[in-house]
Amino acid sequence: KAGVTQTPRYLIKTRGQQVTLSCSPISGHRSVSWYQQTPGQGLQFLFEYFSETQRNKGNFPGRFSGRQFSNSRSEMNVSTLELGDSALYLCASSLRDQRLETQYFGPGTRLLVL
Amino acid sequence: GESVGLHLPTLSVQEGDNSIINCAYSNSASDYFIWYKQESGKGPQFIIDIRSNMDKRQGQRVTVLLNKTVKHLSLQIAATQPGDSAVYFCAESSSGRLYFGRGTQLTVWP
Repeated sequence: KAGVTQTPRYLIKTRGQQVTLSCSPISGHRSVSWYQQTPGQGLQFLFEYFSETQRNKGNFPGRFSGRQFSNSRSEMNVSTLELGDSALYLCASSLRDQRLETQYFGPGTRLLVL
Repeated sequence: GESVGLHLPTLSVQEGDNSIINCAYSNSASDYFIWYKQESGKGPQFIIDIRSNMDKRQGQRVTVLLNKTVKHLSLQIAATQPGDSAVYFCAESSSGRLYFGRGTQLTVWP
């Protein structure tokens, strides 16, 4: 069974631009969560989607948004990019509930904002 | 928010020795805990998990111990190998989501 895949793997953007990252969960997994990882803040939860609905949300500004499609694939969008948005963005999937089941992570998208 | 922390940010061990990585959590209501390993340039990889109704769980060369009295979690790696060098994260399930610790860098010397 294929693992979680994320595209693109690397991205360079400039301040003010917007970016869309994509995540394909493990087949059969319906819960998809997004995390931001930086050396200073560690792994921080962005949001979780289940059955095309945002089920939980972390403490990030409204510039960070996401969505999930009927096939469980998910995208996250960051608008008006800031230098501080440079990070590794990780997607993780689980069968139904990331609170109760193992989450499996993708390789991440490394975003650099110049 | 919840606090999941690690006692030591770095740990260096000799190949073949046992490693112990510690984690403290603050929410006594947390009921699910996971250890992840992250190698450079990769996403976190699941190692082992434990639910709050257990004190100990063993996997292949790894053991997780949960002490709910002092809210402490540890990961023991037996016969540590160079391939075990990575950052190890603990995570706890609380308030509807997982909270991750900052990570411990494990370095294995030959």
